[in-house]
Amino acid sequence: GDSVTQMEGPVTLSEEAFLTINCTYTATGYPSLFWYVQYPGEGLQLLLKATKADDKGSNKGFEATYRKETTSFHLEKGSVQVSDSAVYFCALSDRSGGSNYKLTFGKGTLLTVNP
Amino acid sequence: DAGVTQSPTHLIKTRGQQVTLRCSPKSGHDTVSWYQQALGQGPQFIFQYYEEEERQRGNFPDRFSGHQFPNYSSELNVNALLLGDSALYLCASSMGFRDEQYFGPGTRLTVT
Repeated sequence: GDSVTQMEGPVTLSEEAFLTINCTYTATGYPSLFWYVQYPGEGLQLLLKATKADDKGSNKGFEATYRKETTSFHLEKGSVQVSDSAVYFCALSDRSGGSNYKLTFGKGTLLTVNP
Repeated sequence: DAGVTQSPTHLIKTRGQQVTLRCSPKSGHDTVSWYQQALGQGPQFIFQYYEEEERQRGNFPDRFSGHQFPNYSSELNVNALLLGDSALYLCASSMGFRDEQYFGPGTRLTVT
């Protein structure tokens, strides 16, 4: 079945540091890939997405590139801010095998950015 | 434009009881999915409703059931509550079967 493996946290960085959160996936078909963010006490917000190989999703300074050959979708940001502190989830959505776009999530990575 | 709304925000129940959670999808959306997020874990897919029918189901027991109404809103019912059902329950909506889903703030269920 489908699965997502993402970097274990927590990750603690200083403001303006470079961020990478690794994510790899296993899917039976050709999935769409997502990064969601969850701020304390809130639901999930879509951060970015990519739907085909070599697509780059980007939003709010965050980027991730769909790498089919390595089945990866690593999240990066060049300069993090304190306000980026949250839990980040990598997810996939696979249409194959009768799966109508249900989302499969990784376990999440807690990011803390210190001033 | 109202986003996905869920009620109640928090709920405390006792083992063996039954609970109903509610969700209103984003305006213009007709498909609702429910997810369970245990503490420190990623969300797990419970089921998906479209045209008032359950279209897909994750690996959850029959104690978990749902309903979708003609106005596209949805309910999640859990019978015979167990301590392990304590979690954040998230509702997500989309326009038809789309990969982009919008999430509500969730209902925090605590079973004691």
